[in-house]
Amino acid sequence: EAQVTQNPRYLITVTGKKLTVTCSQNMNHEYMSWYRQDPGLGLRQIYYSMNVEVTDKGDVPEGYKVSRKEKRNFPLILESPSPNQTSLYFCASSSLQGGTGELFFGEGSRLTVL
Amino acid sequence: GENVEQHPSTLSVQEGDSAVIKCTYSDSASNYFPWYKQELGKRPQLIIDIRSNVGEKKDQRIAVTLNKTAKHFSLHITETQPGDSAVYFCAADSGGYNKLIFGAGTRLAVHP
Repeated sequence: EAQVTQNPRYLITVTGKKLTVTCSQNMNHEYMSWYRQDPGLGLRQIYYSMNVEVTDKGDVPEGYKVSRKEKRNFPLILESPSPNQTSLYFCASSSLQGGTGELFFGEGSRLTVL
Repeated sequence: GENVEQHPSTLSVQEGDSAVIKCTYSDSASNYFPWYKQELGKRPQLIIDIRSNVGEKKDQRIAVTLNKTAKHFSLHITETQPGDSAVYFCAADSGGYNKLIFGAGTRLAVHP
């Protein structure tokens, strides 16, 4: 089954404790992206990757890091989480570059930073 | 950069009525305009999209119209059903900057 898998789905952590949200897709997509969803703000892009070892900032990259060492994986790293990073996070992938084709989203990861 | 505004933020209709959600965008270089539906607690899923070389696209009860001159596009849902209740997001590509910019979303409630 074609899918995008994120883990963990739910996480409560404390300020400053490094965490990683994993994302994996099995559709051989080159384009992958991370979004955060906040009430009234829609989906805002954090980082994206057009291929292995190619990553770039989205609209809200502050406080986040990513890596793309393998085509299927695109982890999101919060080196020192802060309460303003409490949000619902979605990973997505697409067969077309630049967000010009259907985005397949993971199930989401709800993060709470205390 | 691209900015997408979406209206209304909430919409309540009776089952069987039509629903219209409107979006405007700022970047005249944008060429791709998808609509995503997000049911409560679920992931967003593409329901319809349109590219700038067409003015309208239909898929059963759902249609999208695009006016490139005015830089706005709309989602039309006819004969609404309770299963159409969800948050709908419009989006526009950023004209070559490898981004898809989303609107803030419209919460649609269809009452039986």
